[in-house]
Amino acid sequence: NAGVTQTPKFRVLKTGQSMTLLCAQDMNHEYMYWYRQDPGMGLRLIHYSVGEGTTAKGEVPDGYNVSRLKKQNFLLGLESAAPSQTSVYFCASSYLGDPNEQFFGPGTRLTVL
Amino acid sequence: GIQVEQSPPDLILQEGANSTLRCNFSDSVNNLQWFHQNPWGQLINLFYIPSGTKQNGRLSATTVATERYSLLYISSSQTTDSGVYFCAVGLYNTDKLIFGTGTRLQVFP
Repeated sequence: NAGVTQTPKFRVLKTGQSMTLLCAQDMNHEYMYWYRQDPGMGLRLIHYSVGEGTTAKGEVPDGYNVSRLKKQNFLLGLESAAPSQTSVYFCASSYLGDPNEQFFGPGTRLTVL
Repeated sequence: GIQVEQSPPDLILQEGANSTLRCNFSDSVNNLQWFHQNPWGQLINLFYIPSGTKQNGRLSATTVATERYSLLYISSSQTTDSGVYFCAVGLYNTDKLIFGTGTRLQVFP
């Protein structure tokens, strides 16, 4: 039981490049989330999904897109990366019965030059 | 929106000491979680505690929802307790967590 996994663990991009971060969970959770964590700060919600085929905006959605084509996967896309998107990205999941009890992946460290 | 404040922002302890971390929130919440972010960046669930008291080994947590605060107690601290401790609150009728800014704990031998 791997829990929540994220791919890749590290990535360096140049300004304007695009990339996709993959989150996978094997707990059959309905809810999935993408957060970003900037130095010295707590986590801020980017987008989330309450089920397969659904997505919704969080606190800081601009510059990101997401897709949830399969229940176990949640993709975060950056179409044109900017230095302000340099951050650590965390994925989380939770089950329908209690969406606020969230379980987190190990994070992806992204640097945009 | 709701404000979630943690104190102290930084804490330095010698191994074996006890500590109390505090989380204050400005509005009623549906639930509250405590997390430990270790030096490698991994977020570890410590407690899911909308109210009352829970204990897990050397750690315990108490949430007094009516007074809008939660406390995390660490007893007999160890160097492996180092890292950042976050509280996060869930609001009624939402699927989202709001994180505090964290308490950075350093435990020295």
